[in-house]
Amino acid sequence: QKEVEQNSGPLSVPEGAIASLNCTYSDRGSQSFFWYRQYSGKSPELIMFIYSNGDKEDGRFTAQLNKASQYVSLLIRDSQPSDSATYLCALNTGGFKTIFGAGTRLFVKA
Amino acid sequence: DTAVSQTPKYLVTQMGNDKSIKCEQNLGHDTMYWYKQDSKKFLKIMFSYNNKELIINETVPNRFSPKSPDKAHLNLHINSLELGDSAVYFCASSHYDRLGAEAFFGQGTRLTVV
Repeated sequence: QKEVEQNSGPLSVPEGAIASLNCTYSDRGSQSFFWYRQYSGKSPELIMFIYSNGDKEDGRFTAQLNKASQYVSLLIRDSQPSDSATYLCALNTGGFKTIFGAGTRLFVKA
Repeated sequence: DTAVSQTPKYLVTQMGNDKSIKCEQNLGHDTMYWYKQDSKKFLKIMFSYNNKELIINETVPNRFSPKSPDKAHLNLHINSLELGDSAVYFCASSHYDRLGAEAFFGQGTRLTVV
């Protein structure tokens, strides 16, 4: 079983809709969770991080964490064509090692 | 002004050659990384250095040898390049945090071995 699993997509949503990106992980010792966005040909950049169970909101983005279910998600409200990118779920089990999922490609149709 | 810079951006070379990629960060971070992103976009950690000390070596072939002359630099030397080494290599840096911290990535080096 992969340490971080994501649906590769592509996930296609119309402009203005909510995009829901999901991620599951296998290591119950994972302490922190990150969502990175990567545009084609560019480097990953952090969107959000979450450490505690529940929801964390930042602008149009909401990260949700459920450690009991080993599940983390990212909701993008009012999706824009500029949100079209690959979204990488990542986790850290303590300190120096951040493990990435394979990413979900998101297309927002104008 | 570039926070994490790596050179070169593109590298095309023949099998069997030796090549190096350089990385520098001006963020004052104490931890630096090398990641490999393959054609399927999977980003896999290779090495992690903290204060110039090797912390993580993720079963990378011995042909790959990282070197950290100081906290701001982490270079990657690859010997006897193989076709399977073709990928995008990202350098990254962060502050150490027990819970993990945001990693800032360089622009990547696209290595093509022919």
